[in-house]
Amino acid sequence: QQQVKQSPQSLIVQKGGISIINCAYENTAFDYFPWYQQFPGKGPALLIAIRPDVSEKKEGRFTISFNKSAKQFSLHIMDSQPGDSATYFCAASMQDNAGNMLTFGGGTRLMVKP
Amino acid sequence: GAGVSQSPRYKVAKRGQDVALRCDPISGHVSLFWYQQALGQGPEFLTYFQNEAQLDKSGLPSDRFFAERPEGSVSTLKIQRTQQEDSAVYLCASSPLVAGGYEQYFGPGTRLTVT
Repeated sequence: QQQVKQSPQSLIVQKGGISIINCAYENTAFDYFPWYQQFPGKGPALLIAIRPDVSEKKEGRFTISFNKSAKQFSLHIMDSQPGDSATYFCAASMQDNAGNMLTFGGGTRLMVKP
Repeated sequence: GAGVSQSPRYKVAKRGQDVALRCDPISGHVSLFWYQQALGQGPEFLTYFQNEAQLDKSGLPSDRFFAERPEGSVSTLKIQRTQQEDSAVYLCASSPLVAGGYEQYFGPGTRLTVT
């Protein structure tokens, strides 16, 4: 059962453009929604995260938009740079007895062309 | 400071062999997670430790998979009688929080290839 669905699978953006990645979730018990960035050969690294009591969170060039009623959230990367080329994963977590383990989306491979 | 480390980074095993994958979490971190990441996919939860206690192992795909963290620090994921479908990157993550999902630090992973 895929509880977090992510799109698109791949994305090509020109340098300076806006990259947008979308995720949808099913379980309304989720209460924490992070985005992770993964470079080849490395583990995922936390980029930015949001809780469902806010609709938007911005950190530098990265913004999460959250729509609780639609059960959707998205990552916007402003002024995309070649160094942003990586795979991005959305995830969700909820309070449970598994230490709030993360449920990941399938990933989006972003390529930013110079 | 030192992050989460995993060893070996790469492991090639013949089908049927047993393998052991090691995770050294960040010192003092309470929570430790193992995830399996198939090629081109997102990580999937395998198991969770709070200190030395394995509180959830619902994600382990079969009884060939076994994990331990006997002293509440280093953890080992063991796979017995490896199969081709076990080929994946195995990620370890640790957290200073009991609710570890809220702040999780990943290691670089061990890429297991079963031939």
